[in-house]
Amino acid sequence: AQKITQTQPGMFVQEKEAVTLDCTYDTSDPSYGLFWYKQPSSGEMIFLIYQGSYDQQNATEGRYSLNFQKARKSANLVISASQLGDSAMYFCAMRDTSFFNKFYFGSGTKLNVKP
Amino acid sequence: DSGVTQTPKHLITATGQRVTLRCSPRSGDLSVYWYQQSLDQGLQFLIQYYNGEERAKGNILERFSAQQFPDLHSELNLSSLELGDSALYFCASSADRGAGETQYFGPGTRLLVL
Repeated sequence: AQKITQTQPGMFVQEKEAVTLDCTYDTSDPSYGLFWYKQPSSGEMIFLIYQGSYDQQNATEGRYSLNFQKARKSANLVISASQLGDSAMYFCAMRDTSFFNKFYFGSGTKLNVKP
Repeated sequence: DSGVTQTPKHLITATGQRVTLRCSPRSGDLSVYWYQQSLDQGLQFLIQYYNGEERAKGNILERFSAQQFPDLHSELNLSSLELGDSALYFCASSADRGAGETQYFGPGTRLLVL
């Protein structure tokens, strides 16, 4: 079974609007971490935000927030006030304590911000 | 800057050749992961080392091998190269103390096999 599912291969958003990128995960481990990475066209993988399974509050980092719904096993990334520089591929990832804290990556969502 | 370094940044070689990609993890990180990303594809996990020992293997071909040295830097060796090996190869490092540890990526090595 897929550990991480990103169902939106591509998305468009108008500049200055908010956008939500979907991510669902699958684990039976009570201790896990959820991560989002950004990959611009230049290729590097940039860590954006982290949410721990025991965290009560949704994580936020500047314009990025993680909408964590534990019962639904979803960890959606919300980008507020989109900018042209947000155009990139976004990967959701999870690690739990099985298999030596292995990382699982989703297939990614390509976000295009329109001026 | 993630603190993970990879060399070289770009590599162009011919089919049948062998290359070595090098990675230095962030200071204090014991784990090194290698990933392959082909054009417009997701990340394929290749192999993980922890403090010098192989910990997990993913979809790594037999023509590929890796090792982690006592100073914790790692090398990925790719041999008998084929056109399909052209890809972006990432190294990532993590402290690996638990599920909450973030994995930080190096800038990647772009390999082009002609």
